[in-house]
Amino acid sequence: GAVVSQHPSRVICKSGTSVKIECRSLDFQATTMFWYRQFPKQSLMLMATSNEGSKATYEQGVEKDKFLINHASLTLSTLTVTSAHPEDSSFYICSANPGGGGYTFGSGTRLTVV
Amino acid sequence: AQKVTQAQTEISVVEKEDVTLDCVYETRDTTYYLFWYKQPPSGELVFLIRRNSFDEQNEISGRYSWNFQKSTSSFNFTITASQVVDSAVYFCALRLMNRDDKIIFGKGTRLHILP
Repeated sequence: GAVVSQHPSRVICKSGTSVKIECRSLDFQATTMFWYRQFPKQSLMLMATSNEGSKATYEQGVEKDKFLINHASLTLSTLTVTSAHPEDSSFYICSANPGGGGYTFGSGTRLTVV
Repeated sequence: AQKVTQAQTEISVVEKEDVTLDCVYETRDTTYYLFWYKQPPSGELVFLIRRNSFDEQNEISGRYSWNFQKSTSSFNFTITASQVVDSAVYFCALRLMNRDDKIIFGKGTRLHILP
């Protein structure tokens, strides 16, 4: 089946540094990818929709300068958390639609900012 | 606006009991998809089922079954003869067809299966 590979699975970084998370569609092309954030014991909240070759669309309340999204190819989307702070610590997960109405999710990245 | 409500925040049952997770959705669109996902402690999202709005047939897959009723805008999920490995958070979700592809998740139901 369709697979979305997400890396890293866990990352710990110092406050003020930037962290990049990658999502790759392994066996299909994804013109659109979705980035979600999940705080402990909460639901998944859509942060932004990345579109290959164009600017990402951010949900209301999400700072586009803080969460930089790049979708440079049909199989790769990246999310960079810039100048990370402890409140950015969360579980980030990406997804893409390989077709047929279904969605495939990456395995998630647990970010801890210390 | 679209919305998915999972009223049960947390449920605990003893192993081998049956358990039903409720999901109620809101949308004015007539064409949409409904999903159920399982999220074990590892965090990954495991796809369980997708149902489109044209198909109200109930579905059974092993110990899992789903009851889709458009009249009440509900898409409930039942696990029969529950097992400890079923312990996880379960999310119901909605996506409109022919729109911007967003999936809207409910808040999830945390299910504890006690040995």
